[in-house]
Amino acid sequence: ILNVEQSPQSLHVQEGDSTNFTCSFPSSNFYALHWYRWETAKSPEALFVMTLNGDEKKKGRISATLNTKEGYSYLYIKGSQPEDSATYLCASNSGNTGKLIFGQGTTLQVKP
Amino acid sequence: DTGVSQDPRHKITKRGQNVTFRCDPISEHNRLYWYRQTLGQGPEFLTYFQNEAQLEKSRLLSDRFSAERPKGSFSTLEIQRTEQGDSAMYLCASSSASGGTDTQYFGPGTRLTVL
Repeated sequence: ILNVEQSPQSLHVQEGDSTNFTCSFPSSNFYALHWYRWETAKSPEALFVMTLNGDEKKKGRISATLNTKEGYSYLYIKGSQPEDSATYLCASNSGNTGKLIFGQGTTLQVKP
Repeated sequence: DTGVSQDPRHKITKRGQNVTFRCDPISEHNRLYWYRQTLGQGPEFLTYFQNEAQLEKSRLLSDRFSAERPKGSFSTLEIQRTEQGDSAMYLCASSSASGGTDTQYFGPGTRLTVL
């Protein structure tokens, strides 16, 4: 069974703060790690797909790193803005099927 | 590219009724996935299709659930004899190829409430 865990479960920060979340996943049979942002009443939005150990990806103020040997990924947000408020989900798949196993998410609230 | 659409967005039904949801994927995508999300949890895999073939179905999915993708385009998810435990957000996603590294694009979901 593939277990994906995220921490913290929720986070409240002030506008301008930088923050990071953790996603841990079983390192055996690893294939890919996906990050999504899900705002209320919208579709989950794909942020990154990461496959290589040591990979680092960036999209604006958001970046992510991947360690497949120890089974974790970090998502960083630099200078949080109120519009970053959302639930951030990570998901892993252990094969080429595309079937994603999601963590429970980290809900971020950024106060102006 | 109009994105993945789902219909209806909300459904309220009484216990024991049957419900059907529809998903229209991005037009050139040949893979289509269904997930279910309950409060405080991440989305949970239900089933997926490669074109019209249903390739995998979660063991957690009871026989009351059935999904189809008859012409390899839109898909329907039917729940028979709904139970209160079926209340959840049902998400559909599609991807363009068969690899596990491909981005899955999600629709806005159908929120089901079973009274």
